[in-house]
Amino acid sequence: EAGVAQSPRYKIIEKRQSVAFWCNPISGHATLYWYQQILGQGPKLLIQFQNNGVVDDSQLPKDRFSAERLKGVDSTLKIQPAKLEDSAVYLCASSQEPMRNTIYFGEGSWLTVV
Amino acid sequence: GEDVEQSLFLSVREGDSSVINCTYTDSSSTYLYWYKQEPGAGLQLLTYIFSNMDMKQDQRLTVLLNKKDKHLSLRIADTQTGDSAIYFCAENQAGTALIFGKGTTLSVSS
Repeated sequence: EAGVAQSPRYKIIEKRQSVAFWCNPISGHATLYWYQQILGQGPKLLIQFQNNGVVDDSQLPKDRFSAERLKGVDSTLKIQPAKLEDSAVYLCASSQEPMRNTIYFGEGSWLTVV
Repeated sequence: GEDVEQSLFLSVREGDSSVINCTYTDSSSTYLYWYKQEPGAGLQLLTYIFSNMDMKQDQRLTVLLNKKDKHLSLRIADTQTGDSAIYFCAENQAGTALIFGKGTTLSVSS
């Protein structure tokens, strides 16, 4: 079974530029999550989707971050404009349905803002 | 609010047992998890325990849960150099996102 796919793996941008990350969850997984992991910390939820609807985006900095999952499968996370403090690993995860307790993570997209 | 605390570092010798500890504050947590993260990699689910259980064993891994004290531990028997990684404790209620600790870096020396 293919895992959660993310791209790009690595990205370096200058502050105030924009960046987009893509995620393709495990086939059949209805729930998709984006987490932000700053170096030395645990991952923190940015947004949770159920199919193509948003379940929780309370911690998403909406002035600069946006995410969509238009067809309920793959998802894009965008940052515009980027700040230095956005340097982090952006992890996508998926689960079969919200009530399932097995959540699978991709390898992450590493962002450095200079 | 919810919080998950872990000690930051643990150093053991190969062949010894490792015990990584975690405390959490949300008494309504339904599931508690241990994830492993190797350098440059994503998070790998190691094991999880339902909150009405006290213990779960899976090969070299033993999870102990003290719900009264909100304390979770992960014991790795016969620790190997390949076990060197960051271990994250996490909790959630069914259907909600995971809340993670800051991670414990396990260093295994030969």
